[in-house]
Amino acid sequence: DTEVTQTPKHLVMGMTNKKSLKCEQHMGHRAMYWYKQKAKKPPELMFVYSYEKLSINESVPSRFSPECPNSSLLNLHLHALQPEDSALYLCASSQDHLPGEQFFGPGTRLTVL
Amino acid sequence: GQNIDQPTEMTATEGAIVQINCTYQTSGFNGLFWYQQHAGEAPTFLSYNVLDGLEEKGRFSSFLSRSKGYSYLLLKELQMKDSASYLCAVPGNTPLALVFGKGTRLSVIA
Repeated sequence: DTEVTQTPKHLVMGMTNKKSLKCEQHMGHRAMYWYKQKAKKPPELMFVYSYEKLSINESVPSRFSPECPNSSLLNLHLHALQPEDSALYLCASSQDHLPGEQFFGPGTRLTVL
Repeated sequence: GQNIDQPTEMTATEGAIVQINCTYQTSGFNGLFWYQQHAGEAPTFLSYNVLDGLEEKGRFSSFLSRSKGYSYLLLKELQMKDSASYLCAVPGNTPLALVFGKGTRLSVIA
């Protein structure tokens, strides 16, 4: 299985809602990532988990809260988002702590009303 | 920090060869990646160069010159399906943190 899966594919939420994005991989990768991508822009790194511990938080607002329940799963909890948070949220995974190929999931297209 | 520069858009003809350049400045060097991203889809890995020289993989090749802070992606025998954005990326302040360039949007025309 060489796939990263993400659910849901699309999400529309109001500014007062609480929702979660989910990501799963079964490649035995020990590093997992959340990226945010706006239209016609490159992906921007948000968080990195390495061996289930948060190793990088790129100064992301606290309304985004990541969670890594186990080595295969990565969640992103959303609360009190703003319309400018509307974007494609990409999950990725890679082998370990060294630079290497990152496998991306298909993304969740988030719209905040 | 990291600074990556690549052209915004390129157009090339089906069957032709196109070279997409990327220049970078990094505080340390841990290799350079190329990713392809079709509109509305996730990026997919194309290549990783850590040593100088050309690496060939089918129709795609990637070149690196560490002394010049320069890389290029060469696409041969262009096909319509090669129309996509091509992203150059380098590891950031920590090896796991990839920093992407703005991407080059390639249009292949008949």
